[in-house]
Amino acid sequence: GENVEQHPSTLSVQEGDSAVIKCTYSDSASNYFPWYKQELGKGPQLIIDIRSNVGEKKDQRIAVTLNKTAKHFSLHITETQPEDSAVYFCAASGDRGDSWGKLQFGAGTQVVVTP
Amino acid sequence: DADVTQTPRNRITKTGKRIMLECSQTKGHDRMYWYRQDPGLGLRLIYYSFDVKDINKGEISDGYSVSRQAQAKFSLSLESAIPNQTALYFCATSGSTGRTDTQYFGPGTRLTVL
Repeated sequence: GENVEQHPSTLSVQEGDSAVIKCTYSDSASNYFPWYKQELGKGPQLIIDIRSNVGEKKDQRIAVTLNKTAKHFSLHITETQPEDSAVYFCAASGDRGDSWGKLQFGAGTQVVVTP
Repeated sequence: DADVTQTPRNRITKTGKRIMLECSQTKGHDRMYWYRQDPGLGLRLIYYSFDVKDINKGEISDGYSVSRQAQAKFSLSLESAIPNQTALYFCATSGSTGRTDTQYFGPGTRLTVL
């Protein structure tokens, strides 16, 4: 089955700087890669996703890049703000076989933005 | 997401007790999921259901069972709770567009087994 590794496990950045979180996946059939943000005491919430027919996607201060050859994808947050402090999860899924309709999550990255 | 509710939000119980966690959704989604979250391990899938008559085991189903009472309701049971089932439990839903879709999570249930 799919295995997703996420790094780093913790990330501390100064407000205004950029943050980058990287994930690798093992199943070459995976073609859907969402990113979730989890604030304290809440459930994860989708912030951006990308499908394998696209190499990069951007939404305001966040962007995701995908390298299918290397099987890795990354989340980029620019101009970080204190409200970006949260746990971020990457995930991967495919549209066929055992992975259809299911997400395999990375272990999460605790992001702390210091003023 | 307020469209996915979980009860209870917190529960403390003792080893050997039977526990039921409930999930309801008003999003009209067919697919529902139960996850467990432990520090450093991310979210791991326990069970999932793609419609009312469909139940499937996930990555870590041992010690758990589920019931899909209706399209909107999906319950998770621990028949005989043990301390290593202490964790955060999340319910999620997604649509059935024929491909993997966004999952919407409930607020979670914090379960402590003493």
